[in-house]
Amino acid sequence: QVQLVQSGAEVKKPGASVKVSCQASGYTFTNYYMHWVRQAPGQGLEWMGIINPSGGSTSYTQKFQGRVTMTRDTSTSTVYLELSSLRSEDTAVYYCVSRLAATEWYFDYWGQGTLVTVSS
Amino acid sequence: DIQMTQSPSSLSASVGDRVTITCRASQGISSYLAWYQQKPGKVPKLLIYAASTLQSGVPSRFSGSGSGTDFTLTISSLQPEDVATYYCQKYNSAPHTFGQGTKLEIK
Repeated sequence: QVQLVQSGAEVKKPGASVKVSCQASGYTFTNYYMHWVRQAPGQGLEWMGIINPSGGSTSYTQKFQGRVTMTRDTSTSTVYLELSSLRSEDTAVYYCVSRLAATEWYFDYWGQGTLVTVSS
Repeated sequence: DIQMTQSPSSLSASVGDRVTITCRASQGISSYLAWYQQKPGKVPKLLIYAASTLQSGVPSRFSGSGSGTDFTLTISSLQPEDVATYYCQKYNSAPHTFGQGTKLEIK
């Protein structure tokens, strides 16, 4: 069965960077795009961007341009989200999400979420 | 970017009530709209896609309608297990924006 398993919770200081991983299993990793969505405490869902695990191409929402990097490792079927220059407003649960289709990206597969806390 | 606005932000209803949540897009998105349910402390769950197609395994009391800019999620007979926050999401093009959510409680 399809599984997206994320790395554990992180605590970071303002100005630092964080790298969250998401390991996929149960399907051909390079066939389907992966997205990242975040949710601040008590807040709604925010789409951050997308990575093509096959070629590594990415697209980020403008809000995060310059601070976010999405990468992948095809040997371990893992995608990574790195967010730099962290501030308190980046405290959130970060989810990797996917749909096993080439287009029409609504999300039927979600990782369990990774809580990133930014605090001095 | 297209904005997604849900109403109401919160809602309290009785078991057995018919409940309707609205999602409005600032520009037309055809039927590229999904609905999610997020129970407290849980990962969001896909309920409906293509505005009105029920995801496999979702109870038939949930339904969706609309196209263009105006969409609705309806629960025909509210059950206690439906307590959750509901989100709409557009997926016609990036960014795949979510609505701000509607928190549903039992009266």
